[in-house]
Amino acid sequence: DAGVIQSPRHEVTEMGQEVTLRCKPISGHNSLFWYRQTMMRGLELLIYFNNNVPIDDSGMPEDRFSAKMPNASFSTLKIQPSEPRDSAVYFCASSKTGNQPQHFGDGTRLSIL
Amino acid sequence: LAKTTQPISMDSYEGQEVNITCSHNNIATNDYITWYQQFPSQGPRFIIQGYKTKVTNEVASLFIPADRKSSTLSLPRVSLSDTAVYYCPGGNSSASKIIFGSGTRLSIRP
Repeated sequence: DAGVIQSPRHEVTEMGQEVTLRCKPISGHNSLFWYRQTMMRGLELLIYFNNNVPIDDSGMPEDRFSAKMPNASFSTLKIQPSEPRDSAVYFCASSKTGNQPQHFGDGTRLSIL
Repeated sequence: LAKTTQPISMDSYEGQEVNITCSHNNIATNDYITWYQQFPSQGPRFIIQGYKTKVTNEVASLFIPADRKSSTLSLPRVSLSDTAVYYCPGGNSSASKIIFGSGTRLSIRP
């Protein structure tokens, strides 16, 4: 079975540009999560969806960040406008539900110049 | 949300058994205990999960005492490839919100 698929794997862009990260969760998983990982702050939960509905977005740093899940097989995390401090590795994960373990993608390494 | 505490780093040698302990002081009654492993440039990978007593799979064993205030991940006969960061996240797993923390950086030497 295919795991969680993220694209792109790497993104380098200039400050002020819009960035869109994409995620395809594992088929049959009802929960989807977006994380950000940096050396300073570790792995932080940004937002999670259950059955395509955003449940908790309290981890989203500010209004420049937005996430959508238009259907069960696709989600996006958008940053507009991007800033150098947004540079990090962004992970998407999915799980069947609740207490079930999360399965992570390989992440998108984002660099904002 | 429940937080966990684990050592920042550990060192060991190939062939040894490694035990990493995590404190779950505020764990909720219906929360499971889950451990993840992360290699550089990869996302965290699920290792093992349990509720209480002992769970064993092909990778590791997980020991959870009756009070569930702690857990111990046991890696038998480690190799260089077990060098990674190991997480025992807290949070509220029934609400799908888990907090990873800094993890334990395990270094295995020849």
